[in-house]
Amino acid sequence: DAGVIQSPRHEVTEMGQEVTLRCKPISGHNSLFWYRQTMMRGLELLIYFNNNVPIDDSGMPEDRFSAKMPNASFSTLKIQPSEPRDSAVYFCASSRRGVGGGTEAFFGQGTRLTVV
Amino acid sequence: DQQVKQNSPSLSVQEGRISILNCDYTNSMFDYFLWYKKYPAEGPTFLISISSIKDKNEDGRFTVFLNKSAKHLSLHIVPSQPGDSAVYFCAARGYGGSQGNLIFGKGTKLSVKP
Repeated sequence: DAGVIQSPRHEVTEMGQEVTLRCKPISGHNSLFWYRQTMMRGLELLIYFNNNVPIDDSGMPEDRFSAKMPNASFSTLKIQPSEPRDSAVYFCASSRRGVGGGTEAFFGQGTRLTVV
Repeated sequence: DQQVKQNSPSLSVQEGRISILNCDYTNSMFDYFLWYKKYPAEGPTFLISISSIKDKNEDGRFTVFLNKSAKHLSLHIVPSQPGDSAVYFCAARGYGGSQGNLIFGKGTKLSVKP
């Protein structure tokens, strides 16, 4: 298995532009997570899907952020409009949710977003 | 309000000695705990986990200890090797409606010196 695949690896954009981050989870995994890593706050959970349905989006910072999972093999995280404070590394992770709850999550390599 | 706390941002250890990384949590409903290791420019990778019904889990050089009454867990690495130098994240699994998601601490950067 190729693991969790994220694209792009790096994104530099101007303030006010729309940014779309993409994620392909591991085949057979039915839970998907978007995390953001910053120096100040560490790894923050933004949103969590189970069977393509958003379960917990309480970590999404503002209405400028939105996430979708149209099918089991693809998810997007969109920021519109982007701001310099959104600069961070964004990770996607997936796990197989077994009986009684989830197993460990497997992470992609992340997208480093820089908003100038 | 941080539910999972790693109070030491960094730790430096000599090769061959023991590394002890600590983690505290606030929610007694967490039922599963994990440690992840992260190298620069890579995503976190799973290292070891422990269920709340146990107090110890061992995998080679890595051992995780859980003290539920103190809401504390620790990761022991012995002997430490230079390749262990990385950022280590403690994570706890949510419960109830959020069961399955993982809540992470801010990480501890471990440096193992030759």
